[in-house]
Amino acid sequence: DTEVTQTPKHLVMGMTNKKSLKCEQHMGHRAMYWYKQKAKKPPELMFVYSYEKLSINESVPSRFSPECPNSSLLNLHLHALQPEDSALYLCASSQADRGRPQHFGDGTRLSIL
Amino acid sequence: DQQVKQNSPSLSVQEGRISILNCDYTNSMFDYFLWYKKYPAEGPTFLISISSIKDKNEDGRFTVFLNKSAKHLSLHIVPSQPGDSAVYFCAASAGNNDMRFGAGTRLTVKP
Repeated sequence: DTEVTQTPKHLVMGMTNKKSLKCEQHMGHRAMYWYKQKAKKPPELMFVYSYEKLSINESVPSRFSPECPNSSLLNLHLHALQPEDSALYLCASSQADRGRPQHFGDGTRLSIL
Repeated sequence: DQQVKQNSPSLSVQEGRISILNCDYTNSMFDYFLWYKKYPAEGPTFLISISSIKDKNEDGRFTVFLNKSAKHLSLHIVPSQPGDSAVYFCAASAGNNDMRFGAGTRLTVKP
């Protein structure tokens, strides 16, 4: 069982839809992350929140909008996505100190029609 | 620009033998290196890490070696077991939570 919970596990949406991906952890971690992973590729960092503040945005298009309502929750709001945005979206959390390992959820498999 | 490289997409070893997975990096600012293991339909699971002030870290059957001058690290699994079959990702960070992953190596351990 993973300690980082992501919902939904699968999501199919049209290009005009608005949906949200959710991530939750109760390990007391103060850093949370969103990654995008395409097939046979490594996870690519999208956003980092540290102490509920956005600290890294890897030049992600504005159709992806992250939100960290509190230290346990991380959302990724999706709007007007493109077919190339279809991928596995992984959430992770860690202690905020340098070099601490990240704990990953099992991801949301997103398909854009 | 791929700052972390795993040049072997796959590796096959016999049960009980040693598995050696390799990783190279280009950014000299990286000071923490981690290995993750990934099974299908699951997120990556942390395996072992090493900081740049060390050249070796061991945890049970898993040992990570770091050669800073060559910008190279390796993961040794001894003895290899069929349950070790998975994709292994090398990752590195410069200490600012910005972690970069290699492309992964699929390890198959044959009974």
